Amino acid sequence: GQQLNQSPQSMFIQEGEDVSMNCTSSSIFNTWLWYKQDPGEGPVLLIALYKAGELTSNGRLTAQFGITRKDSFLNISASIPSDVGIYFCAGYSSNTGKLIFGQGTTLQVKP
Amino acid sequence: GAGVSQSPSNKVTEKGKDVELRCDPISGHTALYWYRQSLGQGLEFLIYFQGNSAPDKSGLPSDRFSAERTGGSVSTLTIQRTQQEDSAVYLCASSLAQGETQYFGPGTRLLVL
Repeated sequence: GQQLNQSPQSMFIQEGEDVSMNCTSSSIFNTWLWYKQDPGEGPVLLIALYKAGELTSNGRLTAQFGITRKDSFLNISASIPSDVGIYFCAGYSSNTGKLIFGQGTTLQVKP
Repeated sequence: GAGVSQSPSNKVTEKGKDVELRCDPISGHTALYWYRQSLGQGLEFLIYFQGNSAPDKSGLPSDRFSAERTGGSVSTLTIQRTQQEDSAVYLCASSLAQGETQYFGPGTRLLVL
């Protein structure tokens, strides 16, 4: 079945540093989404990407939908302690009608 | 308006007992999804509803798992004869329609002793 490979699995960085994480797939997706999950909460949508090549920003977050439609990255600039959490990529395929999630990237920020 | 709500937020049960988990989607959202998240893992798709019907039940792990949705709104996920490996966070999400952005509830944390 469809799978997403998300990396890195975890990151431990200093406050103020930039962060980059990505997802790749062997399958094509129509939509890429990035979610953040805080402890004890459900995932919250950060950015949605709908077109190949699309680059979208949301504050300090920037995400891109890869040209091949098989990958996406998320960048966080000037990290702050509240960025701590688990970040998930998710790809939606209209063929299957399913949203497939990556394994998550756990981000820890040292003040 | 209100987001997706789930109840209970936490559930501890004994092996072999049945449990019911409830999801109230965002008003007007026709699609509803159930996922399972085991400790340190990503989200595993279980089932989704379009209206009251479930076109895709392929993710249900066994016949002990079932779900229903009534009135195009509230959904319940039932796990019969719970096993310890059923312990996980069960997340519900809803979207305006299939393929639209999914919004998640806070989850129900199930622990089977």
